[in-house]
Amino acid sequence: QSALTQPASVSGSPGQSITISCTGTSSDVGGYNYVSWYQQHPGKVPKLMISEVTNRPSGVSNRFSGAKSGNTASLTISGLQAEDEADYYCSSYTSSTTFVFGTGTKVTVL
Amino acid sequence: QVQLVQSGAEVKKPGASVKVSCKASGYTFTSYAMHWVRQAPGQRLEWMAKISVGSGNTMCSQKFRDRVTITRDTSASTAYMELSSLRSEDTAVYYCAREKYGDGWFGPWGQGTLVTVSS
Repeated sequence: QSALTQPASVSGSPGQSITISCTGTSSDVGGYNYVSWYQQHPGKVPKLMISEVTNRPSGVSNRFSGAKSGNTASLTISGLQAEDEADYYCSSYTSSTTFVFGTGTKVTVL
Repeated sequence: QVQLVQSGAEVKKPGASVKVSCKASGYTFTSYAMHWVRQAPGQRLEWMAKISVGSGNTMCSQKFRDRVTITRDTSASTAYMELSSLRSEDTAVYYCAREKYGDGWFGPWGQGTLVTVSS
């Protein structure tokens, strides 16, 4: 199972909006609504930010939102803040009843 | 509160095996699945395997199918991941993470266990 494809890096200024893409296939992202997103600060444990494509867990800022179109899912961070600087990973369930993570995206706040 | 506490760091020689534990508390252990995810230094998250704690059924990534064994002890609310035939490329932080059956997302996560493979 190949990793889902994410841009290596995305940057934005405070207050701006950025979007991270996560591209898979019809056997994973495109076939199921089990796409989730995780934030990971350096040396820290990953934190769930979005589940099931669009659901935001309690406690996660409403500046984070998820979407999906075809084989590509996306995470949008609006009103970018310094604390959002971190690595972000998407994950999807697959037709093999396994899971796969994305290649990861480093978000930089300029 | 829901908590996953993993065993401590390990240093192993190439060819050896390592067994990492993940003790759960704050919820009904058998009502959730447990996943194992690893992250090599500076690298991405990599899904390894899962166990349906109630039934004991397991599923592994094809990459690890010959080397990983996932088990659980329901009386101790603990899940285990054993990786055999270790090589230097297995040096990584290994995480356990809970999934409610069928929800397709992971949370919470254990604190991670660093496994270093070195001669």
